[in-house]
Amino acid sequence: DAKTTQPPSMDCAEGRAANLPCNHSTISGNEYVYWYRQIHSQGPQYIIHGLKNNETNEMASLIITEDRKSSTLILPHATLRDTAVYYCIVRVAILMKTSYDKVIFGPGTSLSVIP
Amino acid sequence: DSGVTQTPKHLITATGQRVTLRCSPRSGDLSVYWYQQSLDQGLQFLIQYYNGEERAKGNILERFSAQQFPDLHSELNLSSLELGDSALYFCASSVEGWGTGELFFGEGSRLTVL
Repeated sequence: DAKTTQPPSMDCAEGRAANLPCNHSTISGNEYVYWYRQIHSQGPQYIIHGLKNNETNEMASLIITEDRKSSTLILPHATLRDTAVYYCIVRVAILMKTSYDKVIFGPGTSLSVIP
Repeated sequence: DSGVTQTPKHLITATGQRVTLRCSPRSGDLSVYWYQQSLDQGLQFLIQYYNGEERAKGNILERFSAQQFPDLHSELNLSSLELGDSALYFCASSVEGWGTGELFFGEGSRLTVL
């Protein structure tokens, strides 16, 4: 089962910031938070990931709470092309070859960017 | 282009048949993951291989099997096909098999069972 919970759907006005929340209250200290998105039926696309510090790249920002039990993905200026299903997942970060990594996706949040 | 290649892109077959889906990971990636996505459903993790060895198994049916070859490409074999097996099958690859590297997904193989 997925270790994260997300709202099933959200709307955002074009040009505004889209803030997508994710709850991962059972996250372990050795697990990363990853965000992916899937546009229509294309292969999921990596967006960003973080361990405990806030992260920013050219696509988005990731804000992780101090207790690491939740995070928010921020798309600063949403466009129509950002309409997609956004997945928040946790992944083990132990650098051991004996680790396994099921990478379980939950239902995600369906983001609709409205003109 | 993620660098992950899946073939075939589309496949139509009949119930009871057997098909093989192929995945070529990005150059240098050692880990391959397989996912099933039925219509309007989420991504269901099937199985993961790392450098030729099975590493993690999800809700993969006994009628399904997979392997990763020495050249690191992987195949997912689906047998005794049922209507409910109609889905998009995604392959993803990463450099290693744990959480320090992103997964790169292919564009999927769409299987239709009639």
